[in-house]
Amino acid sequence: GAGVSQSPSNKVTEKGKDVELRCDPISGHTALYWYRQSLGQGLEFLIYFQGNSAPDKSGLPSDRFSAERTGGSVSTLTIQRTQQEDSAVYLCASSGGADPSYEQYFGPGTRLTVT
Amino acid sequence: KQEVTQIPAALSVPEGENLVLNCSFTDSAIYNLQWFRQDPGKGLTSLLLIQSSQREQTSGRLNASLDKSSGRSTLYIAASQPGDSATYLCAVNSFGNEKLTFGTGTRLTIIP
Repeated sequence: GAGVSQSPSNKVTEKGKDVELRCDPISGHTALYWYRQSLGQGLEFLIYFQGNSAPDKSGLPSDRFSAERTGGSVSTLTIQRTQQEDSAVYLCASSGGADPSYEQYFGPGTRLTVT
Repeated sequence: KQEVTQIPAALSVPEGENLVLNCSFTDSAIYNLQWFRQDPGKGLTSLLLIQSSQREQTSGRLNASLDKSSGRSTLYIAASQPGDSATYLCAVNSFGNEKLTFGTGTRLTIIP
C-alpha cells in the first residue's frame, strides 16, 4: 500500500517568508510525527499528534513553528518568518496507534533551503 | 534525558566482508529500538525493529541484537555489498516519550 508522502520534496524560500510543508500519513495511522534533520544537529523531534489528543509540541524550536492535523489525517507544518537556520530536511512519520511500541514509518522528507 | 551514540561515525570495508555497527543508549527504560538506513538525499528506510522484550531480529543479511540492561544494540551485516553503502541510524523509543531519539549515524561505504 501507499507509504507516508510529503510535499513539496524541495522548497527554496527567502529569509522572512512563511512556508508550509505537508504530510500525508499511511491510511489508518492515528499517530503522526514531525522530525527535523539538519547538519550538525542530527535528527530531532519536533511535534507529535495522536488521535484527537492535544499534540506534544515539546520539540518545536520556537514560536515561529506550528503544526496542525486536520481530520486526523493530513498534517501541515508551518514555519513563519523563516531564518537561515531553519534550513534542514523535515521528515514526517506515522504509526498505527498510541502504543509506543508501534513501528514508525517515515516519508521521503522535504528539503527546505532558506536563502 | 535519553542520549544515543553510534560508533564509528564512518566505516569503509571491502565488499564481501561481514561488519558490525554499534549503538548505545543511556536510559534502558525503552519500548523498542529501530535501525534505519538513509541514502543520500533520501528519507529513512526502516530495517529492523526490536521490542524491549526481544534479544534480536533478523532480516535477510541483517541481524540486530539488543542488550537493554547494558544499553547496547548492534547491527550485523553479513557478506556486505556495494548497495549496502548508506548512513545507518539507530533510534530508541523511551518510556515517557512517544518520540524517537536518534543516534548521529554511521556512514558505511562498501568498497567494490
